[in-house]
Parts: sequence; C-alpha cells; structure tokens
Amino acid sequence: DGGITQSPKYLFRKEGQNVTLSCEQNLNHDAMYWYRQDPGQGLRLIYYSQIVNDFQKGDIAEGYSVSREKKESFPLTVTSAQKNPTAFYLCASKNGLAYNEQFFGPGTRLTVL
Amino acid sequence: KQEVTQIPAALSVPEGENLVLNCSFTDSAIYNLQWFRQDPGKGLTSLLLIQSSQREQTSGRLNASLDKSSGRSTLYIAASQPGDSATYLCAVGGPYNQGGKLIFGQGTELSVKP
Repeated sequence: DGGITQSPKYLFRKEGQNVTLSCEQNLNHDAMYWYRQDPGQGLRLIYYSQIVNDFQKGDIAEGYSVSREKKESFPLTVTSAQKNPTAFYLCASKNGLAYNEQFFGPGTRLTVL
Repeated sequence: KQEVTQIPAALSVPEGENLVLNCSFTDSAIYNLQWFRQDPGKGLTSLLLIQSSQREQTSGRLNASLDKSSGRSTLYIAASQPGDSATYLCAVGGPYNQGGKLIFGQGTELSVKP
C-alpha cells in the first residue's frame, strides 16, 4: 500500500526532554511537510523540504528541528526549547510542483506531562 | 499575509439535505485550493483540489467551486449522509518558492443527523 506513515500514534514527553516524531512515505514524493494542529486552530506549517538534504523553516519553526537524509523520511524533533509542544502533529507529502495535491499521514499526538 | 476563514464553525443538518460549506481568503494570488475531511483524532483526507485556473471540481456527491476574484470557495455536498459527519478544512496553496505550503482555515464541523 502506498501512503504516509507516522509513528508513534501517541507520545508522552516529560518537560526538558527532546522527542523525535517519525514520518515515512513510499509515494516517491519530492516534498514533505510538518504541520501542527491545536484545538480550535487551523494547521500551521513547522518545516518543509522540497529535496533531499534541504529544508526550510515554516511559520512556527522555533523549538523544532528536522532532517531529510532520505527521500522517503522526514523526522521532526521537538526540543526542550519548544514552550508549548502539546499538540497533534501531521506530516504531509506532495509530488514535485507547487500546485499538486498534498497527502497527509495519520498524525502523532504529543502530550507533555 | 494570507488568511483563510471558514464560516460557520459548526453545522448540523438532517440526513438527505444538500448543504454548502464556505471558505474565504484574503489574497487572491493563490496557486490552488484544496478541501480536506478530518475525522476525530485522525489525519486529513484530501477531497478535492482546484487549480487556480479552474472554476470547479467534482467527485461523487461533492462539488467545489473557486472564485479567485472574490476570494471565495464553496464545497457543496449533495444528499448528505450520517457518514459525512466530520470536520471539513479548506486550504490555499502558495507559490513554489514558499514550498507550495498550504494555509488552512479553522474548519467547519459538520454533523448529519439520521
């Protein structure tokens, strides 16, 4: 089955810890994205990558880091510098050009204890 | 700065009714507009993508229209069913030099009563 997988589904973090969320796609898409969703708010872009070994900050990148060492993988690290990390995190991917359809993974819900 | 608004925030209708969900955006220089469905606790499912040069797209009981000049899109759902109950999100797509990022509205939560 082609698609986007995210793991884990639920993640609990203690204050001061870094955690890494996994995102893998087997759609052979060039571009990958991380969004954050908070209750009552729309999704907001954290980071995106259009090619391997390159990524750009989105609208709310502070306290997050990413890497893109392989085309199919785009992990997101939530660092201790992120003041309010409790949220639903969604990974997406898109093939090539700006005006193609974005597809989303099932999400990871992160809770800070 | 592009802003996307969806009104109403919530909508409840009886089964079988035709309904329209609204999406408005402040900057008409968009590259595409995408409608999504989200079930509670789940990811987003893409419903329809309208390119900036198009006026509408149809898939089954769904029809989405786009009027760039007025900054509006609508999602029409015909003969609604309880299984259509979900949150519907619209998102406008930006240019390639911004990664083709999507800017989202806050969504309309739809409840279809049997």
